[in-house]
Amino acid sequence: EVQLVESGGGLVQPGGSLRLSCAASGFTFSTYSMNWVRQAPGKGLEWISYISFGGGMIHYADSVKGRFTISRDNAKNSLYLQMNSLRAEDTAVYYCARDWETSSRYRGLPNWFDPWGQGTQVIVSS
Amino acid sequence: DIVMTQSPDSLAVSLGERATINCKSSRSVLYSSNNKNYLAWFQQKPGQPPKLLIYWASTRESGVPDRFSGSGSGTDFTLTISSLQAEDVAVYYCQQYYNTPITFGQGTRLEIK
Repeated sequence: EVQLVESGGGLVQPGGSLRLSCAASGFTFSTYSMNWVRQAPGKGLEWISYISFGGGMIHYADSVKGRFTISRDNAKNSLYLQMNSLRAEDTAVYYCARDWETSSRYRGLPNWFDPWGQGTQVIVSS
Repeated sequence: DIVMTQSPDSLAVSLGERATINCKSSRSVLYSSNNKNYLAWFQQKPGQPPKLLIYWASTRESGVPDRFSGSGSGTDFTLTISSLQAEDVAVYYCQQYYNTPITFGQGTRLEIK
């Protein structure tokens, strides 16, 4: 069974940092591109970052560019999101999501997402 | 950025009746080189992550009931549920993957009348 499990969320003060992790299982992680998507309380979905299967191509939404860093460790089947200079508007549930793109069907851009993890809550507040 | 606009924002439909959700993109998401529309649909139930329903605008994901169908091309798309079931109560989102930033519609809340 394909599974994605996020962790690392919590309460942090404005200006602080958090590192989210996403543990993948049930598929060959190293061949799939991955994404982070967030959802503010009661709001819609916002894509924030993409990383290609090998880590060579990365994209960010403007809202997080320069503050967040996506990375992956294919040996550990894990995806990460380092979040710095956090703001109140970063408060959201953060989902990791597998991309349709693989090493054999490479576009270098995010596509549709399936599956998604259950999410981890990040609250930025003093 | 490509802006995705869904209509209506909320919808109440009787059990067994048809539900139709519309999605309009601010620019075409049809790639002329492969004639594919870079448009997906997701269903999100309360307390759950989104679930993929449709990709390439009209291709149903494996395991998704055939009462769900997607149609449209270019800038105008539709998600249709042919016969609403109680378990279809959810918020539905369209998403374009034509280019970055990936953008979603604001969501349509579907309820039982």
